[in-house]
Amino acid sequence: AQSVTQPDIHITVSEGASLELRCNYSYGATPYLFWYVQSPGQGLQLLLKYFSGDTLVQGIKGFEAEFKRSQSSFNLRKPSVHWSDAAEYFCAVVPNTDKLIFGTGTRLQVFP
Amino acid sequence: KAGVTQTPRYLIKTRGQQVTLSCSPISGHRSVSWYQQTPGQGLQFLFEYFSETQRNKGNFPGRFSGRQFSNSRSEMNVSTLELGDSALYLCASSPASLVGYTDTQYFGPGTRLTVL
Repeated sequence: AQSVTQPDIHITVSEGASLELRCNYSYGATPYLFWYVQSPGQGLQLLLKYFSGDTLVQGIKGFEAEFKRSQSSFNLRKPSVHWSDAAEYFCAVVPNTDKLIFGTGTRLQVFP
Repeated sequence: KAGVTQTPRYLIKTRGQQVTLSCSPISGHRSVSWYQQTPGQGLQFLFEYFSETQRNKGNFPGRFSGRQFSNSRSEMNVSTLELGDSALYLCASSPASLVGYTDTQYFGPGTRLTVL
């Protein structure tokens, strides 16, 4: 079945450590790919997006993501996590250019 | 520019009632989409309106409906509320329609609906 998978429900890292959040999709063609972040009580904020071209995408707040076609993945990375990065992160795809399909989210906890 | 605004932010209703939620998009944006967020089902697409026309619809029953006004403001209505309708309802706007998607969606803070 077509889907977006975020295999990690909850991740805990220490402040200053590196971070990688995983996202896999199962659509035939390469969809448009997004990462959003949601802080408690807030809406979703776009971190970055991939439509085509360079497979390494830079976003806001020091985040980047790499599209790997062979692995159907679009993992989000940050070299050094800050306490303010604690939030829920959602990977999303637009498979048929008509609507946004979200993964189940990964909750990030940051310890000082 | 002001962001996407949603009113009310919190709402408590009882089963069987109906509810209307409002969304004002970013100025100049013509597309408004609605999403339901629950712990069990995650974020699910409800529908999209563009230029007062529904362009796309998710897999929700007919109790969920919406409309868009000429100023691009949108309302979502849920009739005959059920306990399972308790959720955070998010609205997002973008300059153009999601069909042929290339635009970024900007999300509002959501309306937290509790059905008792």
